[in-house]
Amino acid sequence: EPEVTQTPSHQVTQMGQEVILRCVPISNHLYFYWYRQILGQKVEFLVSFYNNEISEKSEIFDDQFSVERPDGSNFTLKIRSTKLEDSAMYFCASSVWNVGDTQYFGPGTRLTVL
Amino acid sequence: AQTVTQSQPEMSVQEAETVTLSCTYDTSESDYYLFWYKQPPSRQMILVIRQEAYKQQNATENRFSVNFQKAAKSFSLKISDSQLGDAAMYFCAYNNAGNMLTFGGGTRLMVKP
Repeated sequence: EPEVTQTPSHQVTQMGQEVILRCVPISNHLYFYWYRQILGQKVEFLVSFYNNEISEKSEIFDDQFSVERPDGSNFTLKIRSTKLEDSAMYFCASSVWNVGDTQYFGPGTRLTVL
Repeated sequence: AQTVTQSQPEMSVQEAETVTLSCTYDTSESDYYLFWYKQPPSRQMILVIRQEAYKQQNATENRFSVNFQKAAKSFSLKISDSQLGDAAMYFCAYNNAGNMLTFGGGTRLMVKP
């Protein structure tokens, strides 16, 4: 069964450094998402992406974040200058359609900012 | 803004017994979608069940079923014949006009052998 994959599984970085989290969505899906989960807290929506542009973003998704689909398979989340509070689990998800369709999640990338 | 509330931070159930996890939500919309996701210790979010608000019939998926009460804005998950592998965090989620899923705070389910 097709699944969403994410790399790396764990990323450790120094505060102020740039990180890129990578995701490969399910191949026939058209909508892509990033969520984050700070340890012990709710899963929070960051951004959705369709047709090579952002379709929706939350207040969390400020100028330090960006997303890109550099080729036909990868979907990336870049954090330009990491802060301690960016430490979290970052989940990528994808779906065929948008409203109401099931979003399939990847296994997550644990980001630790020191 | 929509909110999703899971009032039970932790629940426990004996293996083979039935347990019900609660979820309430706040919305002014009439058309929306509700989900239950399972998050085992591996941390990956796995879909358990999906409900369309315009459907009166409660969704079922093998041992998992929901009690969807639209007027009360309630969406509980019933797990029958609980198994050790059901131990996980369970998240209720809401989706409406946008792309985003709004999640509840989660319920940690422990299954006792």
